[in-house]
Amino acid sequence: AQTVTQSQPEMSVQEAETVTLSCTYDTSESDYYLFWYKQPPSRQMILVIRQEAYKQQNATENRFSVNFQKAAKSFSLKISDSQLGDAAMYFCAQGETSGSRLTFGEGTQLTVNP
Amino acid sequence: AAGVIQSPRHLIKEKRETATLKCYPIPRHDTVYWYQQGPGQDPQFLISFYEKMQSDKGSIPDRFSAQQFSDYHSELNMSSLELGDSALYFCASSPRTVYGYTFGSGTRLTVV
Repeated sequence: AQTVTQSQPEMSVQEAETVTLSCTYDTSESDYYLFWYKQPPSRQMILVIRQEAYKQQNATENRFSVNFQKAAKSFSLKISDSQLGDAAMYFCAQGETSGSRLTFGEGTQLTVNP
Repeated sequence: AAGVIQSPRHLIKEKRETATLKCYPIPRHDTVYWYQQGPGQDPQFLISFYEKMQSDKGSIPDRFSAQQFSDYHSELNMSSLELGDSALYFCASSPRTVYGYTFGSGTRLTVV
């Protein structure tokens, strides 16, 4: 069974600074997908970024980028130029194959200080 | 763009009652997933359907059942409700060939 671990229950960052959220996972599969989801106080699950394991290039979406280390099974999220609206719970998730369940980490609560 | 629609948004039920949650996936998404998120917890997978057939099953209690209909909408039926069933229930959908999970806004169930 796959597992996802987020070792930082809480993180804080100053507005306009950069913060990195950590995530490690365990899987026996060679082909899989990794995700970062943002859950604001409204509790909607918002996709931040997605990475396909067979792609060596790290995914980037505007101010959000990942550092995907397949051998180390590590998938960290970097948020640049942090904004107040980035404050939320962030979940790392992994899925084995197309159309399969997602396994989530415990989440990291991000606070952005003005 | 169309999103995943869940209804109702909020639901309050008493212990031992029955609840039905509905999910309308994005058009042309043929796979539907249900998740349960307790207070302060991460989402836990319950069950999924592909082309109206159950495709995967997670930690879903026997008191819960679900199905996907011919129009691809799905319903999660929860009977003999317990206080511990109070949670946020998410539905998500994706096309089978593209890994594009999209979550609905969730149904907040409170059992009193």
